[in-house]
Amino acid sequence: RKEVEQDPGPFNVPEGATVAFNCTYSNSASQSFFWYRQDCRKEPKLLMSVYSSGNEDGRFTAQLNRASQYISLLIRDSKLSDSATYLCVVMRLNRDDKIIFGKGTRLHILP
Amino acid sequence: DVKVTQSSRYLVKRTGEKVFLECVQDMDHENMFWYRQDPGLGLRLIYFSYDVKMKEKGDIPEGYSVSREKKERFSLILESASTNQTSMYLCASSRTGHRVDGYTFGSGTRLTVV
Repeated sequence: RKEVEQDPGPFNVPEGATVAFNCTYSNSASQSFFWYRQDCRKEPKLLMSVYSSGNEDGRFTAQLNRASQYISLLIRDSKLSDSATYLCVVMRLNRDDKIIFGKGTRLHILP
Repeated sequence: DVKVTQSSRYLVKRTGEKVFLECVQDMDHENMFWYRQDPGLGLRLIYFSYDVKMKEKGDIPEGYSVSREKKERFSLILESASTNQTSMYLCASSRTGHRVDGYTFGSGTRLTVV
């Protein structure tokens, strides 16, 4: 099983809809979780950190489910500008500090 | 704003050439990283550095080396470029250890080896 897995998509979603995608991780020692956004042919940029209690930033909500070992990203009232690839990032802070990027989920918001 | 600047946006090199990819950051970050990104494989760490003259292998260091002579500059070297090194190369820097929420990425160098 891959250490971090994401559905590659694409998710084709009409503007204004709500969309959610998950990222599963296999190592229970993982400690920190993040969502990055990457636009086509651009570099990744931090979208939000994912806290144990969940967190919300405007239309975006991120949640962590440690029992089932996944994180989720929910986008409400989607905009055309939300079209991008969303990378899940999992971090383990042990002797072998490890950061693993998921391969990303492509999202297309349709007008 | 932190800026991480990669010297070339697009590069085409021949098989067997020695290739230098340069990365400069202007915020006095201690940590710098080189990743490559390929379709279906995601971002993979090649090398990283926590200090001047210090380097650590990442997950896929084979065929690469790095140089960090100054704090602000981290160079990735392809000793003898091969076609399987055609990829998007991303440099990143951060201040606080290896925490990825402190990463700033450069805009990437798309390298084609022919």
